[in-house]
Amino acid sequence: NAGVTQTPKFQVLKTGQSMTLQCAQDMNHEYMSWYRQDPGMGLRLIHYSVGAGITDQGEVPNGYNVSRSTTEDFPLRLLSAAPSQTSVYFCASSFRNSDLTDTQYFGPGTRLTVL
Amino acid sequence: DQQVKQNSPSLSVQEGRISILNCDYTNSMFDYFLWYKKYPAEGPTFLISISSIKDKNEDGRFTVFLNKSAKHLSLHIVPSQPGDSAVYFCAASELYNYGQNFVFGPGTRLSVLP
Repeated sequence: NAGVTQTPKFQVLKTGQSMTLQCAQDMNHEYMSWYRQDPGMGLRLIHYSVGAGITDQGEVPNGYNVSRSTTEDFPLRLLSAAPSQTSVYFCASSFRNSDLTDTQYFGPGTRLTVL
Repeated sequence: DQQVKQNSPSLSVQEGRISILNCDYTNSMFDYFLWYKKYPAEGPTFLISISSIKDKNEDGRFTVFLNKSAKHLSLHIVPSQPGDSAVYFCAASELYNYGQNFVFGPGTRLSVLP
């Protein structure tokens, strides 16, 4: 299993450009999510999905779109990049254990700089 | 306002000694807590968890303690090893909430000195 993969690892954008951060998992997990990590802020939830065709907003959704057409893929789209979106982005997938707790697996991250 | 706080941005400990990382939370609905470890240029990896029906959970060198009345948890690493040097995130959620949207603290950078 490759686990959770993210591409690209690094990206530099100019203000106003759009791009898609890719995330894929091969563990057949229903739940996937996107976080951003900023200094002193921990990881903050952007969007999440509880299954194919179902997405919802997290704590900081503005400026981002997601879709979930398959169980495996959960891309994150930046519609019009802003310097405030400079961050490290992590994708995660999780499964529900028999005791109803979740075990979450993270991808290696994408470091995005918006100039 | 941060619902999960880790008030120590960094901690240095001598190899072989105990490392104690602290975490405080404000939301009384949280009933499931986790610790993640993160190395540079990698994603966080799950370390250990505890639900609110327990006050202690052990896994090898790692023990998590939960004090619900104080809304405080701590991670003890004994003995500390240089490979434990990483950033540690505390996270919390409401159990049985499908999808369990975890709320993360800002992290504590642990340095274990040889």
